[in-house]
Amino acid sequence: QSALTQPPSASGSPGQSVTISCSGTSSDVGGSNYVSWYQQHPGKPPKLLISEVNQRPSGVPNRFSGSKSGNTASLTVSGLQAEDEADYYCSSGTATNTYVFGTGTKLTVL
Amino acid sequence: QVQLQESGPGLVKPSGTLSLTCSVSGASNYWWGWVRQPPGKGLEWIGDIHYNGGTNYNPSLKSRVTISRDDSENQVSLKLMSATAADTAVYFCVTSPGWYKINFWGQGMLVSVYS
Repeated sequence: QSALTQPPSASGSPGQSVTISCSGTSSDVGGSNYVSWYQQHPGKPPKLLISEVNQRPSGVPNRFSGSKSGNTASLTVSGLQAEDEADYYCSSGTATNTYVFGTGTKLTVL
Repeated sequence: QVQLQESGPGLVKPSGTLSLTCSVSGASNYWWGWVRQPPGKGLEWIGDIHYNGGTNYNPSLKSRVTISRDDSENQVSLKLMSATAADTAVYFCVTSPGWYKINFWGQGMLVSVYS
């Protein structure tokens, strides 16, 4: 299975919104309701931000939102804050009961 | 409260078997699994094992990987055979009550493969 495709980097100024894309196929993102997003700060384990395309676990700010159209999922971070600077990974369940991560996006808050 | 703690050798010789154990608390009926991250690189799902013993593995690793669980000891184990330098990574123990999402992560353990 191939990793989902994300842009290597994204950036925005404090208060702005930024959207990170995650491109897959009909065998993963396009055919699955189980698309998740994770945030990872340096030296830390990832943290679940979004599950099932657009569901936020308890404690995740509503500045983070997810969506999906066809084979591409998106994570939008609104009202950027300095602490949002991190690596972001998408993931998806697949048609063969496996799990695949995206290539990762480094978000810089300018 | 879910807690995960990885343990095992931090160094493995090439062609040897990488073996890790994770002690799990607060997640007895969840699926348990492993994810790895080579230094400076992205995340890679290794596989998981469900409470009924069923397993799923990354196709690229399937021929070399075995994941097992011991519910009496609340431990999940990872064995990766024929290790190479490409297997050098931080290995995370993971779990979740739901499908295809990872709510809980261990702190991770760096395993280096070199002679």
